[in-house]
Amino acid sequence: QVQLQESGPGLVKPSETLSLTCDVSGGSVSRYYWSWIRQSPGKGLEWIGYIYDGGSTNYNPSLKSRVTMSVDTSKNQFSLKLTSVTAADTAVYYCARGAPGYSSGYWGQGTLVTISS
Amino acid sequence: QSALTQPASVSGSPGQSITISCTGSSSDVGGYNLVSWYQHHPGKAPKLIIYEVTKRPSGVSDRFSGSKSGNTASLTISGLQAEDEADYHCCSHAGSFTYVFGTGTKVTVL
Repeated sequence: QVQLQESGPGLVKPSETLSLTCDVSGGSVSRYYWSWIRQSPGKGLEWIGYIYDGGSTNYNPSLKSRVTMSVDTSKNQFSLKLTSVTAADTAVYYCARGAPGYSSGYWGQGTLVTISS
Repeated sequence: QSALTQPASVSGSPGQSITISCTGSSSDVGGYNLVSWYQHHPGKAPKLIIYEVTKRPSGVSDRFSGSKSGNTASLTISGLQAEDEADYHCCSHAGSFTYVFGTGTKVTVL
């Protein structure tokens, strides 16, 4: 059974960089797409983007200038960096295998990141 | 890329059927048969219940069904059960390998 676990600071200061990692167990990070999705308090889900293990990426146009995703096959994990964060970036961040709608996808339980000084 | 529009809440009694709409545009919902639906219980990971408009992943109850007409996709839950009380999110491919989610709908079982 594939399991995903997000990790990273739960509190980030405004203007700084949010960094999260998703550890993949029970399967390989290779040859799949890996997504990040978030949910701000009281709002719907928001697709942040995805990366393929070869390094190709696609990002939400509204976040593209601030987002970087990467894959580390040696650690079987993938990562998200979001720069210049504001309070609007406060959200539960989820990592997932596959693009949205992928029938064999798996999701992590999510991690809350609060942007505050 | 604007969020797809869903009703904020839908309610029904046990055994009834309810339908949740998801309205977008010709650039997303209307342009691709790549609409998916997720069931999300608070504190848990969202669960895929419909993909490619009408398909159900293995293990998902056939009480859940999806459809699409023009720029609006719909999720129908038949034989409503207490365990169906959750948030539901639609999602659509939006061109150029991007995706957009809906505003989310809270389903209450009366």
